[in-house]
Amino acid sequence: ETGVTQSPTHLIKTRGQQVTLRCSSQSGHNTVSWYQQALGQGPQFIFQYYREEENGRGNFPPRFSGLQFPNYSSELNVNALELDDSALYLCASSSTGTFTFGSGTRLTVV
Amino acid sequence: SQKIEQNSEALNIQEGKTATLTCNYTNYSPAYLQWYRQDPGRGPVFLLLIRENEKEKRKERLKVTFDTTLKQSLFHITASQPADSATYLCALDASSGGYNKLIFGAGTRLAVHP
Repeated sequence: ETGVTQSPTHLIKTRGQQVTLRCSSQSGHNTVSWYQQALGQGPQFIFQYYREEENGRGNFPPRFSGLQFPNYSSELNVNALELDDSALYLCASSSTGTFTFGSGTRLTVV
Repeated sequence: SQKIEQNSEALNIQEGKTATLTCNYTNYSPAYLQWYRQDPGRGPVFLLLIRENEKEKRKERLKVTFDTTLKQSLFHITASQPADSATYLCALDASSGGYNKLIFGAGTRLAVHP
């Protein structure tokens, strides 16, 4: 079985720009969650998608949005990037309550 | 608000000894708790899950305890090896309204020295 794959691995963007991060979930997992991990901190829940709909959201502003596709892959979009958005963005897929994480996308906003 | 605390200082131990990591939480009653390992630049890797009605769980050299009265979980690695060096994250189930959500601690960095 394949794990969770994320792309790109690293990204540098300028403040005010928009970014799209991608995630392919583990085979058989129909739920995808996105987490933001700042340096030295634990991951923070952004939102979760199930059956192509957002069914849960953490304390993140609307400029963080997402999509889930019929094959359960997912995208995270962030508009109007701010310097504080610099972090490791993790995608996790699940089916029974335990999570399989990807290696993440390291986003740097300058 | 919900709060999770893990040892903020790095834990340095000698190879072969038992490493014990602590996770304390407040203002919450999770149905289960999970431990993850994270290596630099990588995503967390699931290690163990323990439910609120379980006192202890074991997997090979790993042992987790869960005390819902003290609101604390202990994570033990016996016969530690340099390859066990990593950051270990405690995560509480905060599922609500039909979706699964984890709240993570900041993690404890473990360094096992030969």
